[in-house]
Amino acid sequence: NAGVTQTPKFQVLKTGQSMTLQCAQDMNHEYMSWYRQDPGMGLRLIHYSVGAGITDQGEVPNGYNVSRSTTEDFPLRLLSAAPSQTSVYFCASSYSMYRAGNTEAFFGQGTRLTVV
Amino acid sequence: AQSVTQLDSHVSVSEGTPVLLRCNYSSSYSPSLFWYVQHPNKGLQLLLKYTSAATLVKGINGFEAEFKKSETSFHLTKPSAHMSDAAEYFCVVRSANQAGTALIFGKGTTLSVSS
Repeated sequence: NAGVTQTPKFQVLKTGQSMTLQCAQDMNHEYMSWYRQDPGMGLRLIHYSVGAGITDQGEVPNGYNVSRSTTEDFPLRLLSAAPSQTSVYFCASSYSMYRAGNTEAFFGQGTRLTVV
Repeated sequence: AQSVTQLDSHVSVSEGTPVLLRCNYSSSYSPSLFWYVQHPNKGLQLLLKYTSAATLVKGINGFEAEFKKSETSFHLTKPSAHMSDAAEYFCVVRSANQAGTALIFGKGTTLSVSS
């Protein structure tokens, strides 16, 4: 049972480069989301999706793009990397709120991104 | 709108003494509440969850939390700290009546345990 798989674990980018962080889950969860973690800030929501073909912005969406073509996959694209995007990124998945009692999120292991 | 406030950014205890990590929440609807733990350079692990069943929730590793609606609180406790409890702890809220609502994180509390 793989759960939530994130790749890569580490990445160094130059300013202006683009890249895609991959996220896949095998639990048939409707809801997937991306967070970034910065010291003293907790985890802040970047984008989320409530199902295939549906995405929406979170608290800090600027500079990031997402799509959800399948239930399993939810990639995060950095369009033109900036030093301010240096962070640890987490992908999470869960059932929707309609499944009472099973609303916790499962997290990937994280991607540590450095933009120089 | 939902929000979470963790009242202490850092808590220090001695091994064998009680742990109290404080969390207040704000939610327009009946919330689901969670505590997650993150050990250094690791991912996030669910400690416990409240989803409108019993107000006293027991989790892993001897932790528990009590949901108090009148105080909008969900404090995390443990009777006796262990060195392995040193980590960062996040209180998280999710609204129960909105489809697909995001989990909203507090800023975290770093727990230090000394021998």
